[in-house]
Amino acid sequence: RKEVEQDPGPFNVPEGATVAFNCTYSNSASQSFFWYRQDCRKEPKLLMSVYSSGNEDGRFTAQLNRASQYISLLIRDSKLSDSATYLCVVTMDSNYQLIWGAGTKLIIKP
Amino acid sequence: GAGVSQSPSNKVTEKGKDVELRCDPISGHTALYWYRQSLGQGLEFLIYFQGNSAPDKSGLPSDRFSAERTGGSVSTLTIQRTQQEDSAVYLCASSLAVGVTEAFFGQGTRLTVV
Repeated sequence: RKEVEQDPGPFNVPEGATVAFNCTYSNSASQSFFWYRQDCRKEPKLLMSVYSSGNEDGRFTAQLNRASQYISLLIRDSKLSDSATYLCVVTMDSNYQLIWGAGTKLIIKP
Repeated sequence: GAGVSQSPSNKVTEKGKDVELRCDPISGHTALYWYRQSLGQGLEFLIYFQGNSAPDKSGLPSDRFSAERTGGSVSTLTIQRTQQEDSAVYLCASSLAVGVTEAFFGQGTRLTVV
């Protein structure tokens, strides 16, 4: 089993819709969680950190479920510009190594 | 510089040649990562440097790959006797590795082995 797993998609979603995807992790000692966004032929960039209490940034909401060992990303009122691959990352404070999911591809259609 | 800098941005090399890829991390970042990404694929971990600790080399695909990090700053990834399957984008990232471990990426080196 991979340490961090994501549904590769693609998720094809009409503009304006709400879309959500999850990322599961296997190591219960994981401490820090992030969502990154990667556009085609570009480097990944941080979208948002995921806090235990959950956090919201505009149309984006990230949540952490430690009991079930997954993090989620919700995008409301999706825009064409949201089309990208979304990568989840977990780290363990023991060595700060980043463990990456393979990414979920999102395509927003007009 | 303000961000992670990688050079060259593009490299075309003949099969069998050696190549060196350079990464200049953000100043003060103790953690440095090398990844490889083929078109449409996820990030493939190669090697991780953290401060003065021994690097985690568990992701290097063969002994043709090596990396070093001098003075805790600049890192060089070397690929010897390149093969066509080495063609990919090589991404470097750095982070503070203390507390919030957000990683910042360079723009990558696109390696093409012909």
